[in-house]
Amino acid sequence: AQSVTQLGSHVSVSEGALVLLRCNYSSSVPPYLFWYVQYPNQGLQLLLKYTSAATLVKGINGFEAEFKKSETSFHLTKPSAHMSDAAEYFCAVSVAGGTSYGKLTFGQGTILTVHP
Amino acid sequence: NAGVTQTPKFRVLKTGQSMTLLCAQDMNHEYMYWYRQDPGMGLRLIHYSVGEGTTAKGEVPDGYNVSRLKKQNFLLGLESAAPSQTSVYFCASSHSHEQYFGPGTRLTVT
Repeated sequence: AQSVTQLGSHVSVSEGALVLLRCNYSSSVPPYLFWYVQYPNQGLQLLLKYTSAATLVKGINGFEAEFKKSETSFHLTKPSAHMSDAAEYFCAVSVAGGTSYGKLTFGQGTILTVHP
Repeated sequence: NAGVTQTPKFRVLKTGQSMTLLCAQDMNHEYMYWYRQDPGMGLRLIHYSVGEGTTAKGEVPDGYNVSRLKKQNFLLGLESAAPSQTSVYFCASSHSHEQYFGPGTRLTVT
């Protein structure tokens, strides 16, 4: 079975500062990893995904994440925060094959606040 | 192309009442999922389907039933609603490990 831990339920940054949202996973087989963003009163939107190709993954809105197998991490970063980045972010893991195919296991979420 | 749609958007039920949430997708995806979202707990999988006519239990299936009679629709039923089922419900469909989410249904059980 796979699991996801997001370190920090709330992260606060100033506009223009680096955004770093942490995600660690556990999986007995090579994982697929995802970051989703949820704006208030909306559904989830895919930011980026890792599917065993390049370990540095670029997503929408200037976000990127690096898959580090040795650290079982998939942290999300953005060099310069914008007010519009304020939202809740979810890390998720999926595995290929077997009865778990396609099922996502989510972390508990990190609320990002951006101060002017 | 509407993607994934959910009906209704909001609903208030009394304890013991029943209701059905409808999810529809127009992307011809085989896989569909129902999640519930509660504060501080992320999204938890209720039931899922790997194709028309098939359903399977997820992480938190108790108190819910589902049906997938048509490929494009996935229904979530609550036979006897309880206050613990107050939540936001999301439907998703997937292709090649990427899931596409609906806008959600906010359900309150009083």
